[in-house]
Amino acid sequence: KQEVTQIPAALSVPEGENLVLNCSFTDSAIYNLQWFRQDPGKGLTSLLLIQSSQREQTSGRLNASLDKSSGRSTLYIAASQPGDSATYLCAVSVGAAGNKLTFGGGTRVLVKP
Amino acid sequence: EAGVVQSPRYKIIEKKQPVAFWCNPISGHNTLYWYRQNLGQGPELLIRYENEEAVDDSQLPKDRFSAERLKGVDSTLKIQPAELGDSAVYLCASSSPSGGFYGYTFGSGTRLTVV
Repeated sequence: KQEVTQIPAALSVPEGENLVLNCSFTDSAIYNLQWFRQDPGKGLTSLLLIQSSQREQTSGRLNASLDKSSGRSTLYIAASQPGDSATYLCAVSVGAAGNKLTFGGGTRVLVKP
Repeated sequence: EAGVVQSPRYKIIEKKQPVAFWCNPISGHNTLYWYRQNLGQGPELLIRYENEEAVDDSQLPKDRFSAERLKGVDSTLKIQPAELGDSAVYLCASSSPSGGFYGYTFGSGTRLTVV
């Protein structure tokens, strides 16, 4: 059974500092890994999608890496801003055609002005 | 594109009452998912549909939960009767043709409070 773990569960940084969020998974047979952002009381917004054949994806200040062999992904957010405060969730897609998504518990981020 | 639309956004009911949630997926998305997210945790899958067929409902508490996806488009998730422990956010998502390649799109969710 695939298990996804995110450490730390919560993180507080001053504005301008780089953020590093970690995600680990137990079964390396994944189709892809997706990072989501969730604001309080809201649904999930997809940030980055990394296919299993890729090593990283970048979008603006966000960069996500994937190491399937070690079962790890890292989300980097450069020059953090108060607007980056949210919960960040990673999820891996497994099963036939990747139609089974397993989530980590999330990392709650607070960026202090 | 409207995205995945869910309603209602919030629902407060007394225990033992029934409740229903509605989801309209992205047009053309064959796969539809219902997830439940408890406070401070990641979402957990309740049921997955491929078109109108429920292909994975192993996590759905079938004694009180039911779901349907008529004509392979909109879906409804029902709880009857609701219990205090059902308080959570219920998220709908869709993907096509393969979630493994294209990723998933989530709706804003329905926050259920059972009192």
